[in-house]
Amino acid sequence: KAGVTQTPRYLIKTRGQQVTLSCSPISGHRSVSWYQQTPGQGLQFLFEYFSETQRNKGNFPGRFSGRQFSNSRSEMNVSTLELGDSALYLCASSLEPYKLRTNYGYTFGSGTRLTVV
Amino acid sequence: AQSVTQPDIHITVSEGASLELRCNYSYGATPYLFWYVQSPGQGLQLLLKYFSGDTLVQGIKGFEAEFKRSQSSFNLRKPSVHWSDAAEYFCAVGAGRGSTLGRLYFGRGTQLTVWP
Repeated sequence: KAGVTQTPRYLIKTRGQQVTLSCSPISGHRSVSWYQQTPGQGLQFLFEYFSETQRNKGNFPGRFSGRQFSNSRSEMNVSTLELGDSALYLCASSLEPYKLRTNYGYTFGSGTRLTVV
Repeated sequence: AQSVTQPDIHITVSEGASLELRCNYSYGATPYLFWYVQSPGQGLQLLLKYFSGDTLVQGIKGFEAEFKRSQSSFNLRKPSVHWSDAAEYFCAVGAGRGSTLGRLYFGRGTQLTVWP
């Protein structure tokens, strides 16, 4: 069974550009969450999608957005990139967000390393 | 608000020695608790989780953790560390209700170094 797949693995962008990251969840998983990991702030929740709807959102500016498709694949977009957006972006999938008891929590992908120069 | 504290930023142990990584959480209701491990350049791998029931939880790779409600702690233990255990370990609490249901709050992590 394939795990959570994130593409690309590495990305270098220039300040002011925008970027789109992709996440394919485990087959059958319908919930996708995104986290940002930086040395300064640690792991921070960005948002969660379930059935193509954003169910939960963290404290990030509107430059950070996402969406989920009917096949549960998700993309996140960051517009007008800033140097501080350099981070490892992790995607996690689960069966559903409201059944932690039965879905063994969240399975994480290997992440996309974004460097903004 | 939920929060997680991992008091030890860096721990060094010798191979074969026992290990305990500390985790304290703040949450008003019964928490869902997790330990994840991250190797350099990789994502997070789930070691074990606690939802309810037996407070001593067994995980993968020989790890276990004990939930102590009175101390708001969920410490991770391993009786004998292997060199391959060197990695960063994250404790997380999951909200069980309300608008933050499903969201994970992570500690800042503990970096484990293992001496041969």
